[in-house]
Amino acid sequence: AQKVTQAQTEISVVEKEDVTLDCVYETRDTTYYLFWYKQPPSGELVFLIRRNSFDEQNEISGRYSWNFQKSTSSFNFTITASQVVDSAVYFCALSELVRAQKLVFGQGTRLTINP
Amino acid sequence: EAEVAQSPRYKITEKSQAVAFWCDPISGHATLYWYRQILGQGPELLVQFQDESVVDDSQLPKDRFSAERLKGVDSTLKIQPAELGDSAMYLCASSLMGGSSYEQYFGPGTRLTVT
Repeated sequence: AQKVTQAQTEISVVEKEDVTLDCVYETRDTTYYLFWYKQPPSGELVFLIRRNSFDEQNEISGRYSWNFQKSTSSFNFTITASQVVDSAVYFCALSELVRAQKLVFGQGTRLTINP
Repeated sequence: EAEVAQSPRYKITEKSQAVAFWCDPISGHATLYWYRQILGQGPELLVQFQDESVVDDSQLPKDRFSAERLKGVDSTLKIQPAELGDSAMYLCASSLMGGSSYEQYFGPGTRLTVT
């Protein structure tokens, strides 16, 4: 069965610090997608990134970067030079391509950036 | 920019009452999803529609929950009768097609409180 674990329930850092959010997943499929979503206090989920299981290249988008390692079943998310606007709950999610196409989310990590 | 619309944004109801939520997906999106997000947890899929057909409702408590998408456009999720444990955020999402390779766009959600 597919499962996503975000062991960090809450993280609090001071603005401009770098912060990494961990995500570990379980799946029996060899083909799957991994996602990160941001949920600000307003409630809607904002898509950040999608990565398929065949693409292990790390990705950088501005202050955001993602480290995908199949060997450890991890898909970690790093925010560099954090800002107060980054405060939100962040969710990692998994979707199996063949067995079940639905998104399975982790429990989320509440990130607070203090000024 | 096109968005997923949901109403109402907030709903307070007494247990044993009926409650309904409405979702209007992004125009042209064939796939529509309803998720339930209990406080402090990640969203969990309740039902997935492809056009007007249900693709997955394995997690929908069918004794009290129903969902429809009659014309393959907007959708209604109903709970009757509501129970205290139904208090949660109900999120609607849509994608161009079903499948992991298509990004899901989320609406702002309906926060339900059952008293």
